[in-house]
Amino acid sequence: SQTIHQWPATLVQPVGSPLSLECTVEGTSNPNLYWYRQAAGRGLQLLFYSVGIGQISSEVPQNLSASRPQDRQFILSSKKLLLSDSGFYLCAWRPPGLGNQPQHFGDGTRLSIL
Amino acid sequence: AQSVAQPEDQVNVAEGNPLTVKCTYSVSGNPYLFWYVQYPNRGLQFLLKYITGDNLVKGSYGFEAEFNKSQTSFHLKKPSALVSDSALYFCAVRDISGGYNKLIFGAGTRLAVHP
Repeated sequence: SQTIHQWPATLVQPVGSPLSLECTVEGTSNPNLYWYRQAAGRGLQLLFYSVGIGQISSEVPQNLSASRPQDRQFILSSKKLLLSDSGFYLCAWRPPGLGNQPQHFGDGTRLSIL
Repeated sequence: AQSVAQPEDQVNVAEGNPLTVKCTYSVSGNPYLFWYVQYPNRGLQFLLKYITGDNLVKGSYGFEAEFNKSQTSFHLKKPSALVSDSALYFCAVRDISGGYNKLIFGAGTRLAVHP
């Protein structure tokens, strides 16, 4: 069966420090991968999505970037964190293509910026 | 553009009573609709989906949802609520504009089931 892992579960970082959050998926090949941010336990904002290695699409301009160095690895990064980067970051995957399969989510990383 | 609305910020229900969490959508073409649940400090868990066919869709944990094309609604229901159903619920619609498969989420509805 397929599983998705995110780490770390929580992170406290000072303003201006770099960031690297990692997401990996097991048990599937060539998944579509997604990064979301959830503010204050409410709506989800899609940040990035990827349909293959090295293929990243950004939904909103921001202080963050994403990379997909391997088929089942998706990384969210920042060179210098801002206070506004605080939030709950969720990674998700789904099978490739335009079919009707749902996205499946990891357990998220809660990021606090001090 | 595709969109989803969850008109209620919070729904309060007594344990054992039926519950409904509302969702309306706006899409071009046939909608692919999903419901997810989120418990505190966890990711979203998939509950059920409507793609085509029977308007009443059954999902996990005793939940079901009714697709109504004329009212453009996809309300989540459960005949008898449990305290453990208390969580944040999200409705979503598939968006394939631009050739990529994405989900558009509603703002979420907090369900509180009281003993």
